[in-house]
Amino acid sequence: DQQVKQNSPSLSVQEGRISILNCDYTNSMFDYFLWYKKYPAEGPTFLISISSIKDKNEDGRFTVFLNKSAKHLSLHIVPSQPGDSAVYFCAASAGAGGTSYGKLTFGQGTILTVHP
Amino acid sequence: EPEVTQTPSHQVTQMGQEVILRCVPISNHLYFYWYRQILGQKVEFLVSFYNNEISEKSEIFDDQFSVERPDGSNFTLKIRSTKLEDSAMYFCASMGVWGQETQYFGPGTRLLVL
Repeated sequence: DQQVKQNSPSLSVQEGRISILNCDYTNSMFDYFLWYKKYPAEGPTFLISISSIKDKNEDGRFTVFLNKSAKHLSLHIVPSQPGDSAVYFCAASAGAGGTSYGKLTFGQGTILTVHP
Repeated sequence: EPEVTQTPSHQVTQMGQEVILRCVPISNHLYFYWYRQILGQKVEFLVSFYNNEISEKSEIFDDQFSVERPDGSNFTLKIRSTKLEDSAMYFCASMGVWGQETQYFGPGTRLLVL
């Protein structure tokens, strides 16, 4: 099941710089997208989401961009901090109006390392 | 801040044994989910539950699996006869209302089947 793909297994960034994490999807029924952060042996922690009616959503240092025509979304973290080092998952659902009752389909994750 | 809790944090069991994983979703949430993550793999959807019944399940969720909301607060996942390949982290998630479609995850139960 490759409906959601994160093609970069890892990303290394210097503290203070921008981190850009990318995610592609294939299912055109997806209309709600989320980014989660995960530390080892913990559950995914919600970061930010975006509905398909928008192309950008911002929350503090985190911005998610959605390009529906390209079926691509990205998460920008500015400025990056060492505490941001974790695994980042994008997830998608065919939400309200669909029949999936909110089932999330996850990407493989990208390990972000922010160096001091 | 309200959070999803799960017990136990770790469970070791023998193949063929039954296990019950417990979750307490956020109190005013209506939609409940189980996911799992086998080591090194993606987080995978298992089942969704709404209005006291299963609303969707994956191919993984076969007859060995069942879910229940026995009272107003707990949400359980039962594996009737565990297999080695059931070893994984199991995550419970809950969502408030339709239109606020963010799922909040618990810390997970690490299940090891020997």
